[in-house]
Amino acid sequence: DTAVSQTPKYLVTQMGNDKSIKCEQNLGHDTMYWYKQDSKKFLKIMFSYNNKELIINETVPNRFSPKSPDKAHLNLHINSLELGDSAVYFCASSHGSGRWGDTQYFGPGTRLTVL
Amino acid sequence: RKEVEQDPGPFNVPEGATVAFNCTYSNSASQSFFWYRQDCRKEPKLLMSVYSSGNEDGRFTAQLNRASQYISLLIRDSKLSDSATYLCVVNRDYGGSQGNLIFGKGTKLSVKP
Repeated sequence: DTAVSQTPKYLVTQMGNDKSIKCEQNLGHDTMYWYKQDSKKFLKIMFSYNNKELIINETVPNRFSPKSPDKAHLNLHINSLELGDSAVYFCASSHGSGRWGDTQYFGPGTRLTVL
Repeated sequence: RKEVEQDPGPFNVPEGATVAFNCTYSNSASQSFFWYRQDCRKEPKLLMSVYSSGNEDGRFTAQLNRASQYISLLIRDSKLSDSATYLCVVNRDYGGSQGNLIFGKGTKLSVKP
């Protein structure tokens, strides 16, 4: 069974469109995260949610809106896609709140290409 | 100064070589340190945590120097399967119960036959 799953794996879309990426974890973890890995391979935190509540928002444009319907799911909706949004988006989860650097388990990534 | 800095490499080494990766971090309040591994076009995975006294896991040895804010990873007898990008990771504490991991840009290792 996949611990952290994301859909879709690949997403190719035009500038200006709105798209969503879904993430689910079956590890029973309390905290979920979204990361962006750009073309220079730099992995950067975007958001984290603990028990469905937003706890970290790292100065991400408000075109990005995370939603956590329950603690096993964290979806990412992106409005008005721009060329610079092209990247690999990773979802991750951890047991604790992240304060002490709990091990994070990553999903396989969603490769977003904006044309 | 970046929060976590690593030599980007790439390190190209023959099988059996010993290779060392270095990392520095800027936040002296950081408490937790890790090495993650990321294979090409895959997700990062935890390789090992780094403890103050240093720790070893098979061919891998991690060291931490808090005074210098420096972390290292040593791989002995490298295998072809060790080829990957090695990410130095440090926690950032936001206070209360909040925090997250800060990832270095990674050092790419290629082990050749």
